[in-house]
Amino acid sequence: NAGVTQTPKFRVLKTGQSMTLLCAQDMNHEYMYWYRQDPGMGLRLIHYSVGEGTTAKGEVPDGYNVSRLKKQNFLLGLESAAPSQTSVYFCASSKTSGRLSTDTQYFGPGTRLTVL
Amino acid sequence: QQQVKQSPQSLIVQKGGISIINCAYENTAFDYFPWYQQFPGKGPALLIAIRPDVSEKKEGRFTISFNKSAKQFSLHIMDSQPGDSATYFCAASTSTRSARQLTFGSGTQLTVLP
Repeated sequence: NAGVTQTPKFRVLKTGQSMTLLCAQDMNHEYMYWYRQDPGMGLRLIHYSVGEGTTAKGEVPDGYNVSRLKKQNFLLGLESAAPSQTSVYFCASSKTSGRLSTDTQYFGPGTRLTVL
Repeated sequence: QQQVKQSPQSLIVQKGGISIINCAYENTAFDYFPWYQQFPGKGPALLIAIRPDVSEKKEGRFTISFNKSAKQFSLHIMDSQPGDSATYFCAASTSTRSARQLTFGSGTQLTVLP
């Protein structure tokens, strides 16, 4: 099992460029999440998905879009990158995440994005 | 708005010492409190977690102490080892939402000196 993988590992963009970050999990998890990690801020939830074909906004969704066309994949898109989006992006997945669940979230290795 | 406040920002401990990291929360609806450990260049990984119906949970050298009335919880690492050097994040979530969205603290960088 590879667990949660993220592509690419590093990326440098110019302001206004677009890109897509790919997250893949092989654990058959229903829930998937995208976080960003900034110094002194911890991790903040951008968007999440409770199942194939469904997505929802997290704490800091502006400037990002997501899609979950397949259960195992969760894509994070930046349509017009801004320097404020320079960050480390982490994808995570969990088996369930409902009201009665405390299922562990498993994180990928991260993507370091720099926007110039 | 920082709903989970974590301190200290950094901590240096001698090998064999006790490391203590503290967190405080505001939202009384939080009902699950995990701690994550992150090594450089890696994603966070669950270390230990607690629910508010118990005041303490211990797993090996790692203990969570929970004070519901004070809305505080802490991580204690006994007999700290150089291999424990990492960044530690506390987090909290509530079951009142359709999905358990974790709210993270700002992190503590722990260095254990040999």
